[in-house]
Amino acid sequence: AQSVTQLDSHVSVSEGTPVLLRCNYSSSYSPSLFWYVQHPNKGLQLLLKYTSAATLVKGINGFEAEFKKSETSFHLTKPSAHMSDAAEYFCVVSERGTSYGKLTFGQGTILTVHP
Amino acid sequence: DAGITQSPRHKVTETGTPVTLRCHQTENHRYMYWYRQDPGHGLRLIHYSYGVKDTDKGEVSDGYSVSRSKTEDFLLTLESATSSQTSVYFCAISPGQEYGYTFGSGTRLTVV
Repeated sequence: AQSVTQLDSHVSVSEGTPVLLRCNYSSSYSPSLFWYVQHPNKGLQLLLKYTSAATLVKGINGFEAEFKKSETSFHLTKPSAHMSDAAEYFCVVSERGTSYGKLTFGQGTILTVHP
Repeated sequence: DAGITQSPRHKVTETGTPVTLRCHQTENHRYMYWYRQDPGHGLRLIHYSYGVKDTDKGEVSDGYSVSRSKTEDFLLTLESATSSQTSVYFCAISPGQEYGYTFGSGTRLTVV
């Protein structure tokens, strides 16, 4: 079985300050991990993915995430927030080895960026 | 989103009526999925398909059925719509589980 816990339902930062969105996962198999972003009334866009290569993954728009197996974490970071980063972010796990790649979503973290 | 379209984008329907949502892809991906998104629940899997005429249930499949008669189309049917099925529905496609999914723009369904 697999599960995802996003530790913060809301995160608020000032423009230009670092962003940290926290995610812990549970998986019976070697996981693939993803971060998706959803802007208001829009679909979901893939930010980055981890699939067993480098543990530090770089994504679009300056975001990156580090896979830490010992801590079962996959936190999303960005050095400097922009106003356009305001959105909802989802951490997602997929168990490799399953036949259909079912994704399990976290409940989401809403990021607010203040001027 | 490139390569995947959902229709309709918005729909209001009455309780007890059947409703069909369509997902169309031009990427020739093997896997297609239907999710619903509700506040506080993230996205939950309704049904998925791993090939033409090959479908299976997800975690919230009660009251829903699907069909995939060709690679590019995946239909979601609410057999008798209820107010609890008011939600935003997303279709997703994938060539394989390590590649992640591409999501459609969603269908906002309201059952009154």
